[in-house]
Amino acid sequence: GENVEQHPSTLSVQEGDSAVIKCTYSDSASNYFPWYKQELGKGPQLIIDIRSNVGEKKDQRIAVTLNKTAKHFSLHITETQPEDSAVYFCAATLSSGGYQKVTFGIGTKLQVIP
Amino acid sequence: EAGVAQSPRYKIIEKRQSVAFWCNPISGHATLYWYQQILGQGPKLLIQFQNNGVVDDSQLPKDRFSAERLKGVDSTLKIQPAKLEDSAVYLCASSLPGTSDQETQYFGPGTRLLVL
Repeated sequence: GENVEQHPSTLSVQEGDSAVIKCTYSDSASNYFPWYKQELGKGPQLIIDIRSNVGEKKDQRIAVTLNKTAKHFSLHITETQPEDSAVYFCAATLSSGGYQKVTFGIGTKLQVIP
Repeated sequence: EAGVAQSPRYKIIEKRQSVAFWCNPISGHATLYWYQQILGQGPKLLIQFQNNGVVDDSQLPKDRFSAERLKGVDSTLKIQPAKLEDSAVYLCASSLPGTSDQETQYFGPGTRLLVL
């Protein structure tokens, strides 16, 4: 089955700096890669996603890149703010026959220091 | 639109007791997922429903866990009997298949279970 590795497990940055979280996956058939943000006591919330036919996607301060050949994808947050502090999960999704099988990474705890 | 609802939010039980969690997905979402999230880890899929049929339950410990979605809307997840290692957050998510947004899963707030 799919295996997703995520690093670092914790990340501290100064407010205004950039943060980068990296993930690798094992199944080359995976074709959809969402990123979720989970705040304390809440469920994960989708913040950005990328499909396997795209190399990069940007949404304001958040961007995701995908290298299918190397089977890795990354989340980039620029101009970090204290409210960006949360746990971030990457995931690899295998879509087949209308169904999706999602495998999550272990999570990265991001702390933005004011 | 209302999000995914889960109850209870917290539950503390003794080992070997039984417990049930309830989930109400977003209206119209045919696909429903139950995940187990152990502290410090990512969510792990337990079971996936498409309407009231099971699509994937390969990671569900069937000797003690069961789930149902009788009318294709609400779902319950039961653990009987509970073990210490079942302490985790149980997340419910839903998605709308057959649309451009079909891969997006919307998560509820979760039920935090502590087994003593």
